[in-house]
Amino acid sequence: AQTVTQSQPEMSVQEAETVTLSCTYDTSESDYYLFWYKQPPSRQMILVIRQEAYKQQNATENRFSVNFQKAAKSFSLKISDSQLGDAAMYFCAYRSMGGSEKLVFGKGTKLTVNP
Amino acid sequence: DADVTQTPRNRITKTGKRIMLECSQTKGHDRMYWYRQDPGLGLRLIYYSFDVKDINKGEISDGYSVSRQAQAKFSLSLESAIPNQTALYFCATSDPFGAEGEKLFFGSGTQLSVL
Repeated sequence: AQTVTQSQPEMSVQEAETVTLSCTYDTSESDYYLFWYKQPPSRQMILVIRQEAYKQQNATENRFSVNFQKAAKSFSLKISDSQLGDAAMYFCAYRSMGGSEKLVFGKGTKLTVNP
Repeated sequence: DADVTQTPRNRITKTGKRIMLECSQTKGHDRMYWYRQDPGLGLRLIYYSFDVKDINKGEISDGYSVSRQAQAKFSLSLESAIPNQTALYFCATSDPFGAEGEKLFFGSGTQLSVL
């Protein structure tokens, strides 16, 4: 079974600085999807970024980018120029490309942004 | 209006009561999901449905049942609520074959407390 591990329960960053959130996963599959979701205090789940495992190029969405290391099974999220609105829980998630509909989530990292 | 609407937003109930959480969507997606979020555990899949006639158990379906009344409606029932079912419940939809691909669209969640 696939597992997703977020080893940092909490992180903090100064406004305008850069922070990296870690995520590792365990799978025997070669094709899959990886996601980062943001959950602000409003509790809405918001997709931040996604990566297809067959793509070598790291995904980027504005200030958010990932470092996808397939061999190491690592999928970290970098937030540049951090803003107060980035404060939230961040969840890393894995999904198989075929068959199972199960989206496996990590336990989350709480990000605090200090002014 | 939200694309995925969950009702109620919050609910307090007593042990042994039957309770239904409702989800409706205007995205026209065939696939719908119910997840449960517990502090420190991330999200876990309870049930999912590919269409009105196709319902599948997730990893934690015991104690829950679902009904897909229409393409747009997917309800989750707790036949006899117990305190360890206290959690934040999310409904989600997806359309893997559409423009958004594997993206999950979440409702705002229902916070359920079982006393």
